[in-house]
Amino acid sequence: DTGVSQDPRHKITKRGQNVTFRCDPISEHNRLYWYRQTLGQGPEFLTYFQNEAQLEKSRLLSDRFSAERPKGSFSTLEIQRTEQGDSAMYLCASSAQYEAFFGQGTRLTVV
Amino acid sequence: GESVGLHLPTLSVQEGDNSIINCAYSNSASDYFIWYKQESGKGPQFIIDIRSNMDKRQGQRVTVLLNKTVKHLSLQIAATQPGDSAVYFCAENIIQGAQKLVFGQGTRLTINP
Repeated sequence: DTGVSQDPRHKITKRGQNVTFRCDPISEHNRLYWYRQTLGQGPEFLTYFQNEAQLEKSRLLSDRFSAERPKGSFSTLEIQRTEQGDSAMYLCASSAQYEAFFGQGTRLTVV
Repeated sequence: GESVGLHLPTLSVQEGDNSIINCAYSNSASDYFIWYKQESGKGPQFIIDIRSNMDKRQGQRVTVLLNKTVKHLSLQIAATQPGDSAVYFCAENIIQGAQKLVFGQGTRLTINP
């Protein structure tokens, strides 16, 4: 257990529904990242927070995706109007400096 | 396409042997590298890291080698155990850059008894 907690672990949703995932980073870590991973691929970067500021966003993060970290602690990732192509593992990671530690991920299945 | 991604490079070794997993990274400006281990259904687990001012770093049963000339990274696992079976990813980053790890394709390591 790395100390990064994600909830829920699994989510099945119907196409068109909105979903929200939560990440609780390691408490002293000021950096938080979201990644997406599909079967057989390495994780792909989505977005990065330093404290509450969202400093970097990937072009993978379409208008349907939004991430927040309101108090610089936990973060949420929301996907609106889900599509089947959104099915993937959504991973959160946190770091104090360079070493990024990942949570167990939220597996999203859009049916 | 999707089917290409499913065919991860694989490495099978006998229990007790040493394993060497290789990775070619893409960005010559990258100055920080991490190896992760990922078991089925779990998030990537940090194994070892190395900065570009080093060419070798050792941990417990693991060694990472960095060759910046050819942009190559390797992970050596000594005396492999059944619990080492997993997919191994290398990741690169630029310390003063955008803070996004770029992951390689991954290698599936299987330990034969």
